[in-house]
Amino acid sequence: DVVMTQTPPSLSVAIGQSVSISCKSSQSLVASDKNTYLNWLLQSPGRSPKRLIYQVSKLDSGVPDRFSGSGSEKDFTLKISRVEAEDLGVYYCLQGTHLPRTFGGGTKLELK
Amino acid sequence: EVQLVESGGGLVQPGRSLKLSCVASGFTFSNYGMNWIRQAPGKGLEWVAYISSGSSYIYYAETVKGRFTISRDNAKNTLYLQMTSLRSEDTALYYCARGWESWGQGVMVTVSS
Repeated sequence: DVVMTQTPPSLSVAIGQSVSISCKSSQSLVASDKNTYLNWLLQSPGRSPKRLIYQVSKLDSGVPDRFSGSGSEKDFTLKISRVEAEDLGVYYCLQGTHLPRTFGGGTKLELK
Repeated sequence: EVQLVESGGGLVQPGRSLKLSCVASGFTFSNYGMNWIRQAPGKGLEWVAYISSGSSYIYYAETVKGRFTISRDNAKNTLYLQMTSLRSEDTALYYCARGWESWGQGVMVTVSS
């Protein structure tokens, strides 16, 4: 199975600060169709997960452009510029290239 | 608006069975692959199973293979997860999702004697 390693496991931030979360996979996530199926999701407290980014850097509809994704092959980053209160929760990376689909362990974003 | 509503959860004894349902609305259900994902209390997310739009492709996590069966009825806009030989480690909140972009609110399954 592809192991997705997220760091850090938690982050304490002030509103307006920028943060980055890393996600590293144990295998390349480049699929046979040349796409890279790396997603980022946010689970706000008490809520269902919500996808923010797909295929490394494409923002889902309605997601503020404060969010950005980058990376390739096995090394990916989610950046949040100017954190707002609504951004707090647990962020997960998810690979959709290989079976079984696997999630990172999560990064909890908390208010400082 | 995309809506996914899960049901069928509850408290069940180890070794027993349970069938979850997920009713979809707000989109053409028959056009989309669907996933089941679970989250044990206080833990992260675990993918459980996938079914393609026409049920031609079905995949399972090793932890549930042979015990769980994913299926769908496109005429009823409904996704199912038949769970048998349930174990305490299957205790979790179960989500259905359209691809990965839309998730239901989840349904709790507790396996305990």
